[in-house]
Amino acid sequence: GQQVMQIPQYQHVQEGEDFTTYCNSSTTLSNIQWYKQRPGGHPVFLIQLVKSGEVKKQKRLTFQFGEAKKNSSLHITATQTTDVGTYFCAGPKYGNKLVFGAGTILRVKS
Amino acid sequence: EAGVTQFPSHSVIEKGQTVTLRCDPISGHDNLYWYRRVMGKEIKFLLHFVKESKQDESGMPNNRFLAERTGGTYSTLKVQPAELEDSGVYFCASSQVLVYGELFFGEGSRLTVL
Repeated sequence: GQQVMQIPQYQHVQEGEDFTTYCNSSTTLSNIQWYKQRPGGHPVFLIQLVKSGEVKKQKRLTFQFGEAKKNSSLHITATQTTDVGTYFCAGPKYGNKLVFGAGTILRVKS
Repeated sequence: EAGVTQFPSHSVIEKGQTVTLRCDPISGHDNLYWYRRVMGKEIKFLLHFVKESKQDESGMPNNRFLAERTGGTYSTLKVQPAELEDSGVYFCASSQVLVYGELFFGEGSRLTVL
């Protein structure tokens, strides 16, 4: 079954509002990756977090890796219409198998 | 540098027929993965090749699915015979680094089984 849980499943925000998606694993992860899939597109790598408590920023995107390395979050400040898509977290399980969460669909109203 | 390419982009077949999907990874990437996304759900792992060897095929649904990577270059995924529940988008991804490696995904092959 699914081993990486992601919430919320869906979020619809007004342009300019913030957005956060959360990822939780039942086991400790060596690292966590985030991907974005635009509607009709394919997953594109955003970032990888490795260290406990790590925080990384990419412009309006802030990624965090929990102290216990079991959870992570992606926060987007002041969303834009170009942010629409599905955001996936993914963590390695049983070696090098990357297990993806179910994704959070982000829709932005302009 | 060319990215991961997949063919066909879309295939519509009837239940019981056979379909073969092809993936050409980024040149030099030893690691090749097949994933499937069904009905907007999670991207589910199918299998992982390291060069021509199957490293992990624990995600393959059943023996109707056969993946090959002869010569360690391109890979094919055959579904025979196809069932309705096989419909979905099949993604191929490749990576250069085995551990902590970013996956480069192809555009996907959408399979519709009627």
